[in-house]
Amino acid sequence: EAGVAQSPRYKIIEKRQSVAFWCNPISGHATLYWYQQILGQGPKLLIQFQNNGVVDDSQLPKDRFSAERLKGVDSTLKIQPAKLEDSAVYLCASSLRMTSGGGEQFFGPGTRLTVL
Amino acid sequence: DQQVKQNSPSLSVQEGRISILNCDYTNSMFDYFLWYKKYPAEGPTFLISISSIKDKNEDGRFTVFLNKSAKHLSLHIVPSQPGDSAVYFCAASVTDSNYQLIWGAGTKLIIKP
Repeated sequence: EAGVAQSPRYKIIEKRQSVAFWCNPISGHATLYWYQQILGQGPKLLIQFQNNGVVDDSQLPKDRFSAERLKGVDSTLKIQPAKLEDSAVYLCASSLRMTSGGGEQFFGPGTRLTVL
Repeated sequence: DQQVKQNSPSLSVQEGRISILNCDYTNSMFDYFLWYKKYPAEGPTFLISISSIKDKNEDGRFTVFLNKSAKHLSLHIVPSQPGDSAVYFCAASVTDSNYQLIWGAGTKLIIKP
């Protein structure tokens, strides 16, 4: 079974530039998550999709971050414009269903973003 | 406000001995807890979980203990092997919360040969 795919793996940009990340979840997984992991911290949920609808985006900085999941499969996360504090690893995860007790999340390798 | 805390940034253990990783939480509503393992340049992978109706769950060399009164859980690895060297994250969730996980900052486990 193929895992969660993410691209690019690394990205370096100047502040105020734009950047986009792509995620392809495990086939059949209805729930998709985007996390931000700053060095030395645990992952922080940015947005959660159930199929192509947003379940929670309360921690997404909507003035600069946007995300979509067209057709309930692939997803893109965009930052425009980027700030220095956006330097982090962006992780995409998917799960079969949206319940605890059996719906553990499967993670992609992440995209390491450096903003200069 | 950190709801899930892993107070040890790193832990060094001799190969073959027991590794004990600790996690504390503050939110009494948490009812499901998970441990994830992360190697460099990879995403976290699920290791073991426990529901709040249990106080112990075992899977091979890995055992998780939950002490609800102390709001504390621990992961025991016996015996520790070199491949166990990784960062271990504790995460917690509340049932009916859209399965959102609240994560600790992680503990880096180093297994010495």
